[in-house]
Amino acid sequence: GAGVSQSPSNKVTEKGKDVELRCDPISGHTALYWYRQSLGQGLEFLIYFQGNSAPDKSGLPSDRFSAERTGGSVSTLTIQRTQQEDSAVYLCASSSNRAAYEQYFGPGTRLTVT
Amino acid sequence: GDSVTQMEGPVTLSEEAFLTINCTYTATGYPSLFWYVQYPGEGLQLLLKATKADDKGSNKGFEATYRKETTSFHLEKGSVQVSDSAVYFCALSTQGAQKLVFGQGTRLTINP
Repeated sequence: GAGVSQSPSNKVTEKGKDVELRCDPISGHTALYWYRQSLGQGLEFLIYFQGNSAPDKSGLPSDRFSAERTGGSVSTLTIQRTQQEDSAVYLCASSSNRAAYEQYFGPGTRLTVT
Repeated sequence: GDSVTQMEGPVTLSEEAFLTINCTYTATGYPSLFWYVQYPGEGLQLLLKATKADDKGSNKGFEATYRKETTSFHLEKGSVQVSDSAVYFCALSTQGAQKLVFGQGTRLTINP
């Protein structure tokens, strides 16, 4: 079946602009996760959704970052007033209730802030 | 807090060599442990997992054993191939936390 998909695959934006990153999880997966992969920080957890609610937002680095999930499916990560330190690859993952710890990752969105 | 430490890379080996990538962890409770692999130009893929002490995860010739006494989950392969060249990440997840905590990653290059 189809895996996790993310769009866009690449995004170049100017400092100060807002960006939206999209994630389509595997059909039927109730849990969805956002991570960030950067050279200096490695792979960092950002936020976790169960259904449409986010019981763990502890990894969001600042209030410029927000995320939502609708219909228990698609999720959007929004970064407002982007800064150069936001440049990274943003990864989305999903998992099912049956195997909650087995997360399946999308290909990522490479964000470059100039 | 929970953390994962894995051996720094890069690691370069010749084809058919024996591979070990060390991974140790710090966690409250009893975590599940994972190895993920990222091949060039591809996304992260789950390579293997172990959910309790003394479990051995295995896949594609790779193995790792959950050692509670040494808080370790070292990745091994008896004979590596050029196609194993990738970045390998050790990770843990604790019950109730859901999120994965990753090590820094180890870049492995296999030369023919």
